Amino acid sequence: NAGVTQTPKFQVLKTGQSMTLQCAQDMNHEYMSWYRQDPGMGLRLIHYSVGAGITDQGEVPNGYNVSRSTTEDFPLRLLSAAPSQTSVYFCASSYSKGTAGNTIYFGEGSWLTVV
Amino acid sequence: AQKITQTQPGMFVQEKEAVTLDCTYDTSDPSYGLFWYKQPSSGEMIFLIYQGSYDQQNATEGRYSLNFQKARKSANLVISASQLGDSAMYFCAMRFQGAQKLVFGQGTRLTINP
Repeated sequence: NAGVTQTPKFQVLKTGQSMTLQCAQDMNHEYMSWYRQDPGMGLRLIHYSVGAGITDQGEVPNGYNVSRSTTEDFPLRLLSAAPSQTSVYFCASSYSKGTAGNTIYFGEGSWLTVV
Repeated sequence: AQKITQTQPGMFVQEKEAVTLDCTYDTSDPSYGLFWYKQPSSGEMIFLIYQGSYDQQNATEGRYSLNFQKARKSANLVISASQLGDSAMYFCAMRFQGAQKLVFGQGTRLTINP
């Protein structure tokens, strides 16, 4: 997972608190995205970005906010945490073109528990 | 809507045997990509192999090969000569609309027995 860094790795939140999960990549990738993985399930897309200043919603965007002010960073904000947001969150990045775009790099995941 | 189906929740295989993990997909887009990822108990997502919808030949990466049957919308992962370290969750995923939007299956937990 070289190149995609997520922080924090573990976090416990109280219901109603807000927080930001950080994601940074140093590969100059245009595409970045956030996924969540609930127990026994595959990953589901929350938000994605095709470049600085451009973001869009994925499959499960409610309760989350993103922005992309730089190519390197793509933070995910939980506005008012709910127990249903307890999950493992993955950030991913890739190039946008050519065969290099066929390799999608994932961060190591952030384990979030909302109590 | 795009959908990935993995019908094998769990598989048990003897070490050194070959194993096939099933994946079927549904999409109306002519251009798409299919991925397989390995997720060990430590939780990270490890890229294994990629197949583009227009690729004429099945993809191979070392011990991994992808049995791509486009007419059947099937993209099975074949692991040859399985090893104990292959024990993990395996996810099939599809990228569509040319962007980094992946749809994942629910995964197959593979256990390799010595």
